[in-house]
Amino acid sequence: QQQVKQSPQSLIVQKGGISIINCAYENTAFDYFPWYQQFPGKGPALLIAIRPDVSEKKEGRFTISFNKSAKQFSLHIMDSQPGDSATYFCAAPHDTSRAGKSTFGDGTTLTVKP
Amino acid sequence: EPEVTQTPSHQVTQMGQEVILRCVPISNHLYFYWYRQILGQKVEFLVSFYNNEISEKSEIFDDQFSVERPDGSNFTLKIRSTKLEDSAMYFCAIGTGGADTQYFGPGTRLTVL
Repeated sequence: QQQVKQSPQSLIVQKGGISIINCAYENTAFDYFPWYQQFPGKGPALLIAIRPDVSEKKEGRFTISFNKSAKQFSLHIMDSQPGDSATYFCAAPHDTSRAGKSTFGDGTTLTVKP
Repeated sequence: EPEVTQTPSHQVTQMGQEVILRCVPISNHLYFYWYRQILGQKVEFLVSFYNNEISEKSEIFDDQFSVERPDGSNFTLKIRSTKLEDSAMYFCAIGTGGADTQYFGPGTRLTVL
């Protein structure tokens, strides 16, 4: 079964700082790595995703860095804002499922202090 | 972004009772999923559904659980005899299949007393 290890469990950053969340996976057959953002009482919402043919993808203040050889990918939030305070999950698809079920990391609770 | 609605938003039930959670995708998608999230924990896969049948299910999805699309639109999750440990947020998700993007609904909070 696909294991996805996410760190840190919680993160406190000052406004304007950089938030970095890491994720490690086991199976090298996957081709899609999303990050989800979840606010209290809401469902996970896709934030940004990357395919392993590139090493980095940037969308606004959010960047995914992907290291295929190390089987790791990370989320960087530049100029972190209090509104970014949420729980972030990395996910990876299961290798034997054509229906693309996702295994989620344990989540990182980000708090951005004003 | 495709829209997914779920009803009810909160369901309180007694242990041993049956509950049905509903998901209504606004757009036409092929793949449907149910996930659950116990308070403070990670999101866990329950089941995927394609072409009116289960594609894959996790070990959590035992005989107490069932899914169906009774009218080709609503996608339902039924728990036949709820247990205390079934208390969680249940999320419906839709997708186009493969390992592509999945869009999550707002969730149903199930509380089993």
